[in-house]
Amino acid sequence: GQQVMQIPQYQHVQEGEDFTTYCNSSTTLSNIQWYKQRPGGHPVFLIQLVKSGEVKKQKRLTFQFGEAKKNSSLHITATQTTDVGTYFCAGGATGNEKLTFGTGTRLTIIP
Amino acid sequence: GAVVSQHPSRVICKSGTSVKIECRSLDFQATTMFWYRQFPKQSLMLMATSNEGSKATYEQGVEKDKFLINHASLTLSTLTVTSAHPEDSSFYICSASGAKNIQYFGAGTRLSVL
Repeated sequence: GQQVMQIPQYQHVQEGEDFTTYCNSSTTLSNIQWYKQRPGGHPVFLIQLVKSGEVKKQKRLTFQFGEAKKNSSLHITATQTTDVGTYFCAGGATGNEKLTFGTGTRLTIIP
Repeated sequence: GAVVSQHPSRVICKSGTSVKIECRSLDFQATTMFWYRQFPKQSLMLMATSNEGSKATYEQGVEKDKFLINHASLTLSTLTVTSAHPEDSSFYICSASGAKNIQYFGAGTRLSVL
């Protein structure tokens, strides 16, 4: 079945440093979504990418969808303590509402 | 924004009892809802897809008689963990599918079976 892997599994950064998480799917995706889960919380939708090579920005966050629609990345510039949490990518397939969630990257910030 | 309510947030029960968890979409109709299980520091594992008015579709390895799902209306899906045992202790999260297949999650239910 479809598998979605993320690296790294954990990332500890000094506040103000940049952070990137990478997402790789075993199959071609129709879309990729990104979610953030704060410690003790539930996943919250961040963004959806649909087009090959698409790049979207949300303030300090930059999301990319690969040309082959099998990989994606999330880059955070100048991290803040509010960025703490686990970031999950989730891949969608055509004609299917199911999402396959990635393994997640847990971000911790050193003040 | 789309709001999904999940209740209860925490359950502690004795082994052998059944537990019902409710998931409601408060401000939109959701023909499809999803039930996930999440172990500590791990990803979300899809258990089943719940469709209004029809039987749920279970993922491989998930016992449908153990985890009963009912989606009786466009705003309510329920998950019943039957005859719960300690190994069923986990964090259960529901989501409702909105426009563009974006999923909106409930706050989750932490189940502890003694």
